[in-house]
Amino acid sequence: TQLLEQSPQFLSIQEGENLTVYCNSSSVFSSLQWYRQEPGEGPVLLVTVVTGGEVKKLKRLTFQFGDARKDSSLHITAAQPGDTGLYLCAGETNTGNQFYFGTGTSLTVIP
Amino acid sequence: GAGVSQSPSNKVTEKGKDVELRCDPISGHTALYWYRQSLGQGLEFLIYFQGNSAPDKSGLPSDRFSAERTGGSVSTLTIQRTQQEDSAVYLCASTRNYGYTFGSGTRLTVV
Repeated sequence: TQLLEQSPQFLSIQEGENLTVYCNSSSVFSSLQWYRQEPGEGPVLLVTVVTGGEVKKLKRLTFQFGDARKDSSLHITAAQPGDTGLYLCAGETNTGNQFYFGTGTSLTVIP
Repeated sequence: GAGVSQSPSNKVTEKGKDVELRCDPISGHTALYWYRQSLGQGLEFLIYFQGNSAPDKSGLPSDRFSAERTGGSVSTLTIQRTQQEDSAVYLCASTRNYGYTFGSGTRLTVV
């Protein structure tokens, strides 16, 4: 059973387009993180959100944590080929020692 | 060191052989995690070390898997009698507060 579901699983868009990736769960998380992973590398942390309703911006990337802290979204404006990669969300519960990772969204931005 | 270092980067082994994977975390990071990532999948938690506390081994898939962390620094993940389903990328991460820093992983192929 996957604690965090991401959608879409695969996304291929043209350079300059906007996109949104969703991360959903029925569980409540004390914090949620987004990572980007490129082939042959480990995931790299992009952002951590901890407050329900929180919105964080990182250049062209906007991250939102749901009010109930069960879901999150990542919006990319004017996608660039350098945004290509596997995007992973990861949630931390109050009871565990680990982050639970989502299934991942593979993004390809075509020049 | 500057980052999390894992070795080897690639390992091909015959079914039934034992393998050892090494992780050298960032100096000063007290927590160390092992995750497994199968092709096209999210990350599966294996084991967690925090300081001198007993490790959380709840994610280890079978008793063929074990891990040690010596002196609160370097960790070794050992897989005995490898099976083909053990083929995956094994990722190590360390952290002090928020957010994991991942190594580049060891790609294990069991033939």
